Amino acid sequence: DGGITQSPKYLFRKEGQNVTLSCEQNLNHDAMYWYRQDPGQGLRLIYYSQIVNDFQKGDIAEGYSVSREKKESFPLTVTSAQKNPTAFYLCASTAAGGDKNIQYFGAGTRLSVL
Amino acid sequence: AQSVTQLDSQVPVFEEAPVELRCNYSSSVSVYLFWYVQYPNQGLQLLLKYLSGSTLVKGINGFEAEFNKSQTSFHLRKPSVHISDTAEYFCAVLSGGYQKVTFGIGTKLQVIP
Repeated sequence: DGGITQSPKYLFRKEGQNVTLSCEQNLNHDAMYWYRQDPGQGLRLIYYSQIVNDFQKGDIAEGYSVSREKKESFPLTVTSAQKNPTAFYLCASTAAGGDKNIQYFGAGTRLSVL
Repeated sequence: AQSVTQLDSQVPVFEEAPVELRCNYSSSVSVYLFWYVQYPNQGLQLLLKYLSGSTLVKGINGFEAEFNKSQTSFHLRKPSVHISDTAEYFCAVLSGGYQKVTFGIGTKLQVIP
């Protein structure tokens, strides 16, 4: 089955630690996105990438970094500079062509601070 | 600029009653509009979309929405809800010239038995 796989499902970060969230898709989609979800705030865009080796900052990129070395992979690193990382993180992708605006989501990673 | 407003953060409704979840958008150009549903601790999945054509859009699970350009609205409706419809619903907009979708803050639908 095609889809988006996020891992791990739960992640704990210690003070001063960087952690990386994985996002893999086998949908052959060009564009990939990372969102942060906090209660009552909806989804906020962290970073997005429309092609391999290129990515842009979203609305809340500070304290986060990404890479896009392969079409199917878009990992997100939450750095120690992100002072309030506790949230639900969602990865999404979109295809080219007629359905290019429909976002397909992974099941999410819940990050907590120890 | 594009933005979307979901006026109700929570909507309680009895089982088998009708429901309407409200969504208004702001955009100066043509728009694509979406409704997504999120069940607890899961990602979002597409309920329905308006890209062009008929203003009444039918989606999965018996939901439908109507695009109203004059009122800049895209309200989601279901004539009879089921317990399994309990979830959070997100309205989203993509305007011409934008590369990114903007999501609303979500409406939690609580179906009461």
